[in-house]
Amino acid sequence: KAGVTQTPRYLIKTRGQQVTLSCSPISGHRSVSWYQQTPGQGLQFLFEYFSETQRNKGNFPGRFSGRQFSNSRSEMNVSTLELGDSALYLCASSPLGTGGKEEQYFGPGTRLTVT
Amino acid sequence: GESVGLHLPTLSVQEGDNSIINCAYSNSASDYFIWYKQESGKGPQFIIDIRSNMDKRQGQRVTVLLNKTVKHLSLQIAATQPGDSAVYFCAENSLNTGGFKTIFGAGTRLFVKA
Repeated sequence: KAGVTQTPRYLIKTRGQQVTLSCSPISGHRSVSWYQQTPGQGLQFLFEYFSETQRNKGNFPGRFSGRQFSNSRSEMNVSTLELGDSALYLCASSPLGTGGKEEQYFGPGTRLTVT
Repeated sequence: GESVGLHLPTLSVQEGDNSIINCAYSNSASDYFIWYKQESGKGPQFIIDIRSNMDKRQGQRVTVLLNKTVKHLSLQIAATQPGDSAVYFCAENSLNTGGFKTIFGAGTRLFVKA
């Protein structure tokens, strides 16, 4: 079974631009979560989607948004990019998203650099 | 706010020795805990988990201990190998107003000396 895939793997954007990142979960997994990883803040939860609905959200500004499609693929969007948005963005999927009591399978991440 | 932290940011051990990585969590209501391993250039990889109704769980060369009294979690790696060199994260799943949320610790970098 193929693992979680994320595209693109690397991205360079300038301040003020917007960016869309894509995540394809493991086949059959219905829950997709997004995380931001930086050296200073570590792994920070962004949001979780289950059956096309955002079920949980972290403490990030409204510039960060996401969505999930009927095939469970998910995208996240960051508008009006700031230098501080430079990070590794990780996507993780789990089969049922049963109240957080399942292990998550992570993709390799998208490295976003904002200049 | 809620946080999951680690006592040691780096740990260096000799190949063949046992490693112990510690983690403190703050939410006494958390009921599911996971250890992840992250190698350079990769996403975190599940190692072992434990539910709050247990205090010990063993896997292959790894053991997780949970002490709910002091809100402490540890990962023990037996006979540490060079391939164990990575950053290790503890994570807790807790119920918040928005549903269940996974909170990760800061991470501990493990160096294994040959």
